[in-house]
Amino acid sequence: DAMVIQNPRYQVTQFGKPVTLSCSQTLNHNVMYWYQQKSSQAPKLLFHYYDKDFNNEADTPDNFQSRRPNTSFCFLDIRSPGLGDAAMYLCATSEGPSQETQYFGPGTRLLVL
Amino acid sequence: QKEVEQDPGPLSVPEGAIVSLNCTYSNSAFQYFMWYRQYSRKGPELLMYTYSSGNKEDGRFTAQVDKSSKYISLFIRDSQPSDSATYLCAMSEGGYQKVTFGTGTKLQVIP
Repeated sequence: DAMVIQNPRYQVTQFGKPVTLSCSQTLNHNVMYWYQQKSSQAPKLLFHYYDKDFNNEADTPDNFQSRRPNTSFCFLDIRSPGLGDAAMYLCATSEGPSQETQYFGPGTRLLVL
Repeated sequence: QKEVEQDPGPLSVPEGAIVSLNCTYSNSAFQYFMWYRQYSRKGPELLMYTYSSGNKEDGRFTAQVDKSSKYISLFIRDSQPSDSATYLCAMSEGGYQKVTFGTGTKLQVIP
């Protein structure tokens, strides 16, 4: 089945220790997104890629970076995680640049100690 | 004022009940309206997608959009325990603009 896969599902890191979350997709979609979702809050868009064209939301902290080495993979790097970065990180895809129909992965839950 | 407002619940209903979930919004430029279902510790899943005003039905689910009131609804008929999840409304202006999500309403359907 075509899908969006996120690894790991749970990630524990230490305050200030860099961490990388990964996402892969078998849908062959052009657009990939990273969202941050805290408990009982709406998903917050951090970045999206349309092919290799990177789009950064204005309020995404500099601490967050992203890479998309090819169509199938996308990575979220958190350079120096703080306690406030503990959240669920959701990867999503869409076939084209219209963002209305998105397919989400299961998420990676990040805990910062 | 938030751009999208959604009652967080939780909403508990008996199995078989009709469920009504609602969102209000302030941005009159929103044209596309979506409902996502999110099970605990999982990613959201697109349930319904509507353009502009009107109704759309898919099985037990009906989405309604009233742009004049800036109000959208999702109705679930004959609710099942498997419908227990958080329901997120989402909307967009279109034209490649980002989607704005509500905070979600947690629904529990009791057998």
